[in-house]
Amino acid sequence: AQSVTQPDIHITVSEGASLELRCNYSYGATPYLFWYVQSPGQGLQLLLKYFSGDTLVQGIKGFEAEFKRSQSSFNLRKPSVHWSDAAEYFCAVGASGTYKYIFGTGTRLKVLA
Amino acid sequence: EAQVTQNPRYLITVTGKKLTVTCSQNMNHEYMSWYRQDPGLGLRQIYYSMNVEVTDKGDVPEGYKVSRKEKRNFPLILESPSPNQTSLYFCASSLVGPNYGYTFGSGTRLTVV
Repeated sequence: AQSVTQPDIHITVSEGASLELRCNYSYGATPYLFWYVQSPGQGLQLLLKYFSGDTLVQGIKGFEAEFKRSQSSFNLRKPSVHWSDAAEYFCAVGASGTYKYIFGTGTRLKVLA
Repeated sequence: EAQVTQNPRYLITVTGKKLTVTCSQNMNHEYMSWYRQDPGLGLRQIYYSMNVEVTDKGDVPEGYKVSRKEKRNFPLILESPSPNQTSLYFCASSLVGPNYGYTFGSGTRLTVV
């Protein structure tokens, strides 16, 4: 069975600074990996996903993530954070051939003006 | 606009009074799912449906029912709500399974008193 861990519950960055949110997974084979964002009072929105191929994945809103098999990680990055990026971010992992899909517990991002 | 529509957005009810939360998607997705989101517990899957008339339990199905009579609709039924079902509920859909990535509804905040 797969599992996913987001080690940071809260992260605070200044506007314009770079951002990296951590996600670690556990799965025996190549996982399906996802990042979602949840703005206050809203549902989750898919930012990007990784299935195979190029390990650096580009998503919406200027986000990217890198799959590192050796570290079992799929960290989300953004070069320059905007105040509108303040939200909660969820990593998720899916397993091949099943409907099993696990969300991390989320990282809440605060952006300082 | 491609979307998942949930109703109502907010609901306060009393213990034991049957209620239904509706969910509809306009993307011709085969797969639909219900999640509940609780502080510190993240998103937990209640039920999912792979297609019309095909449903299965998720991780926390007790106290809930679902049906999938039409492809676009996937209502969540609480036949005898209890206070421990107070939560934020999300409906989500995906093309053929969660590994394609979800589209989420805006959520239903349910309070059972």
